[in-house]
Amino acid sequence: GAVVSQHPSWVICKSGTSVKIECRSLDFQATTMFWYRQFPKQSLMLMATSNEGSKATYEQGVEKDKFLINHASLTLSTLTVTSAHPEDSSFYICSPTPGRDEQYFGPGTRLTVT
Amino acid sequence: SQQGEEDPQALSIQEGENATMNCSYKTSINNLQWYRQNSGRGLVHLILIRSNEREKHSGRLRVTLDTSKKSSSLLITASRAADTASYFCATGLNTGGFKTIFGAGTRLFVKA
Repeated sequence: GAVVSQHPSWVICKSGTSVKIECRSLDFQATTMFWYRQFPKQSLMLMATSNEGSKATYEQGVEKDKFLINHASLTLSTLTVTSAHPEDSSFYICSPTPGRDEQYFGPGTRLTVT
Repeated sequence: SQQGEEDPQALSIQEGENATMNCSYKTSINNLQWYRQNSGRGLVHLILIRSNEREKHSGRLRVTLDTSKKSSSLLITASRAADTASYFCATGLNTGGFKTIFGAGTRLFVKA
């Protein structure tokens, strides 16, 4: 159980374009979705938390207008990086959570902005 | 900001030796989790210890939690080359909503 998929697994885009990353929990319902970002050789940094049907709560320093999060259903959440720039190149990992002691992680999406 | 600090930042040992990684955190927690990540890959959940627990075992892994010192340790016994990875502690918080914050991580290299 606890299968999480992310799509795409990697993406290269040009500076100024927008990229959408999908995260699906395939065999459970996620009441809460966390999105993390990880730069090379660094740890995961929490970007935002969203509950199904509610607006996301962003961590300090994360631009909500740049990183659009939609948690439309209990099995699907999307992160859209708008007007991407090279400094947005990173490994983005979603974490759907059915409960407070259960947290699962997607395999990650590697974004490269040229 | 990061909740947890880990030490050492990097650790290199011989196969068969034990590896100990430490994690300290700043605020009250619901639980503490340890994860492993191979280079460029996703996270693998290793073990979760709740705030009212002091020690947990899973195979070659032993995790301790000292809430009075706000610290945890992960011990890997009889290490193998395949244990080479980055290890992260993550604290489950319940302040301003439930969330999990990761420590900086320890890069472990096990030499065959």
